[in-house]
Amino acid sequence: DQQVKQNSPSLSVQEGRISILNCDYTNSMFDYFLWYKKYPAEGPTFLISISSIKDKNEDGRFTVFLNKSAKHLSLHIVPSQPGDSAVYFCAARYGNRDDKIIFGKGTRLHILP
Amino acid sequence: ETGVTQSPTHLIKTRGQQVTLRCSSQSGHNTVSWYQQALGQGPQFIFQYYREEENGRGNFPPRFSGLQFPNYSSELNVNALELDDSALYLCASSPGTGNTGELFFGEGSRLTVL
Repeated sequence: DQQVKQNSPSLSVQEGRISILNCDYTNSMFDYFLWYKKYPAEGPTFLISISSIKDKNEDGRFTVFLNKSAKHLSLHIVPSQPGDSAVYFCAARYGNRDDKIIFGKGTRLHILP
Repeated sequence: ETGVTQSPTHLIKTRGQQVTLRCSSQSGHNTVSWYQQALGQGPQFIFQYYREEENGRGNFPPRFSGLQFPNYSSELNVNALELDDSALYLCASSPGTGNTGELFFGEGSRLTVL
């Protein structure tokens, strides 16, 4: 039973354009949502998070949008840069328990020159 | 500030053997979590240690066990290895309670079971 779903295994975007990565979840007890980025041969690194009581959080080129009624979140990267090519994981924290972070399967983002 | 370090980076074992993976947490972090990432999948939560006690466990059998030491470093032990245990094992540390879910990951230990 996948509680955090990333339905697009891969995405290709032209350099300079907007990249939009999507994520759906099923558990309404999640209180924080996070995006992690992973390069080959490295561990995932934290990118940005959003509390379940917010609908938008912005950090530089990265913005996360949360639609609680649709149980959907998205990560926007504007403008996309070559260094953004990586696997992006959507993750969720279960109800104020930092002992359990649930990850999606990831979306591989390719930034095309 | 020293980041999360894991050892070994790669290892090969045969079915039925036992393995121990090690992790040093980031300085100032007292909480360590272990994740298993199979090929094509996202990281799956195995368990977490907070101040040397297990503080939550995912859906993994008892042959997956762990320890945390007074310096907050940690070990993951897997007994009676099975082929499906082949995966990248990730250790992550965090500063403890009140955290918003941000984890600091090591590079992982890639285990191959033959």
